[in-house]
Amino acid sequence: QITLKESGPTLVKSTQTLTLTCTFSAFSLTTTGVGVGWIRQPPGKALEWLALIYWDDSKYYSPSLKSRLTITKDTSKYQVVLTMTNLDPVDTATYYCSHTRGGENTGYFDYWGQGTLVTVSS
Amino acid sequence: QSVLTQPPSASGTPGQRVTISCSGSSSNIGSSSVNWYQQLPGTAPKLLIFRTGQRPSGVPDRFSGSKSGTSASLAISGLQSGDEADYYCATWDDSLHGPVFGGGTKLTVL
Repeated sequence: QITLKESGPTLVKSTQTLTLTCTFSAFSLTTTGVGVGWIRQPPGKALEWLALIYWDDSKYYSPSLKSRLTITKDTSKYQVVLTMTNLDPVDTATYYCSHTRGGENTGYFDYWGQGTLVTVSS
Repeated sequence: QSVLTQPPSASGTPGQRVTISCSGSSSNIGSSSVNWYQQLPGTAPKLLIFRTGQRPSGVPDRFSGSKSGTSASLAISGLQSGDEADYYCATWDDSLHGPVFGGGTKLTVL
């Protein structure tokens, strides 16, 4: 059974850099078509896609956050890391990582981590 | 403001059939398949419908999805109290080069 789990700080200060790690099991990021994405959800608000990395190391970023995000993978550790710079209180949200398959136009997020709440203080 | 537009709320009584709409454009719904996610209170989203009309294993056939042009719909028949949740549509956007989500619809079972 595929599982994913997010880890990282729960409280960060404005202007600091956030590093979140997604540790997964039961799949490999060397398998064709497989990817891992990051999605966040501010309290009481909608889901927002942040970044995506595929088995072939292709990367996609939300245009509105692209300058602040970096996504990388460590296939040997079964981990994907998301870095977000210059944090602001509006970045307070639950951050989810998710397994994706199916490519671009037909892809979907089929397994999700439990999420981790990150609070940004001013 | 989300790229995909959903009604903020929907409601129905037990046993009823409800539909939730998702409106987009030619660069997203018009050119890609649509996925739907169910988020029960306090939990992570769960894939409900993928590739517009397919159900993952374990999802009851009370849930169905469809698409026409630049709009998509999620239908829930035989509504149950356990269906109370937030529902999100999502798809790929060719202009933004990434996935996009709708603003979510809160379903209330009266």
